[in-house]
Amino acid sequence: KNEVEQSPQNLTAQEGEFITINCSYSVGISALHWLQQHPGGGIVSLFMLSSGKKKHGRLIATINIQEKHSSLHITASHPRDSAVYICAVDQGAQKLVFGQGTRLTINP
Amino acid sequence: DTEVTQTPKHLVMGMTNKKSLKCEQHMGHRAMYWYKQKAKKPPELMFVYSYEKLSINESVPSRFSPECPNSSLLNLHLHALQPEDSALYLCASSQEAGYPSEAFFGQGTRLTVV
Repeated sequence: KNEVEQSPQNLTAQEGEFITINCSYSVGISALHWLQQHPGGGIVSLFMLSSGKKKHGRLIATINIQEKHSSLHITASHPRDSAVYICAVDQGAQKLVFGQGTRLTINP
Repeated sequence: DTEVTQTPKHLVMGMTNKKSLKCEQHMGHRAMYWYKQKAKKPPELMFVYSYEKLSINESVPSRFSPECPNSSLLNLHLHALQPEDSALYLCASSQEAGYPSEAFFGQGTRLTVV
């Protein structure tokens, strides 16, 4: 079993829909990262959080430390949100443990 | 400047070639990382440099040789690679290694070994 599990693995939705991507982890962490990777490679850091909730534009990330679970929400989704979203946990050991990623496709 | 710059963006090399990948950041970050990413897989950590010293080597074959000449630069020297080493190589940096801090990634170098 992977230490970081994401669901769903693939998600296709229509423009404007509310999107939720889930991340569960089985190890102790000091922080959790949500990353976005577009085709072509570059990775962008969306959020780093260790408790509660963060919001940036149409993106919201929440984490429940007791339940070892985090969610990434996208409101009013747009085709430009199509990308792979990766959850990664920081165990404080100088390295991130990555989930397998969620491939999101938003159709116009 | 919140960028991590990697060069080249694309590289094709033969199995007998020697080449280098370069990574640069000017954010004052003291931790720098090399990751390897195969298609449709998450990144895999290769090396971590902390304060210009190699702190983690994830059992990477010796045909990959990292170098950190100063706090802003990170190189990955490649020699006698195999076709299975073809992948996207990502560089990242963060404020400190060992403390939770946001990771900044470069655009990657897409390497093809022929």
